[in-house]
Amino acid sequence: AQKVTQAQTEISVVEKEDVTLDCVYETRDTTYYLFWYKQPPSGELVFLIRRNSFDEQNEISGRYSWNFQKSTSSFNFTITASQVVDSAVYFCALFSSGGSYIPTFGRGTSLIVHP
Amino acid sequence: DGGITQSPKYLFRKEGQNVTLSCEQNLNHDAMYWYRQDPGQGLRLIYYSQIVNDFQKGDIAEGYSVSREKKESFPLTVTSAQKNPTAFYLCASSNDRVVPYGYTFGSGTRLTVV
Repeated sequence: AQKVTQAQTEISVVEKEDVTLDCVYETRDTTYYLFWYKQPPSGELVFLIRRNSFDEQNEISGRYSWNFQKSTSSFNFTITASQVVDSAVYFCALFSSGGSYIPTFGRGTSLIVHP
Repeated sequence: DGGITQSPKYLFRKEGQNVTLSCEQNLNHDAMYWYRQDPGQGLRLIYYSQIVNDFQKGDIAEGYSVSREKKESFPLTVTSAQKNPTAFYLCASSNDRVVPYGYTFGSGTRLTVV
């Protein structure tokens, strides 16, 4: 069985603050993929990043960065200098053969950035 | 541009009626999925199809039906047996069932029972 936990239901910050969204996963597989998606108020989920289990390098893309740590089964997402446009629900997802090749999504974290 | 088209964006259903939600993709993806989203519940899998003419039940398939007669299309029917159908429905596809680059989502259909 596999599981994704996003313990933070809602986070509220003021613009320009840094914010980290947590994602903890469980799987018995050695090969797996982790994803982050953004869901703005319009509803469509937007792909942000894919990481496979053999690549623990942290990644930075503009104001976004991701910290993947297999030792703690975590794949956390940090937004630096948050902006109002970052307000959305963010989902972490896990994909592996142990999940029958179907992605398992966390419950999502709602991020509200106030001006 | 390639993508997934879901229609309609908003749908109202009377109690006891069946309704069908459309999902069409032009990405040449093999796998397609239907998810239901309720506030605070995340995404729950209803049905998925990894090849044409084949589909599997997800975690909450009761009260729903699907078909996959064409690679591009994966319509979802919400039947009268679904007791609480009011929700946001998302369709998704992926290029590879074993090593997906990612999942492409449609913009969703918001279904309301009146």
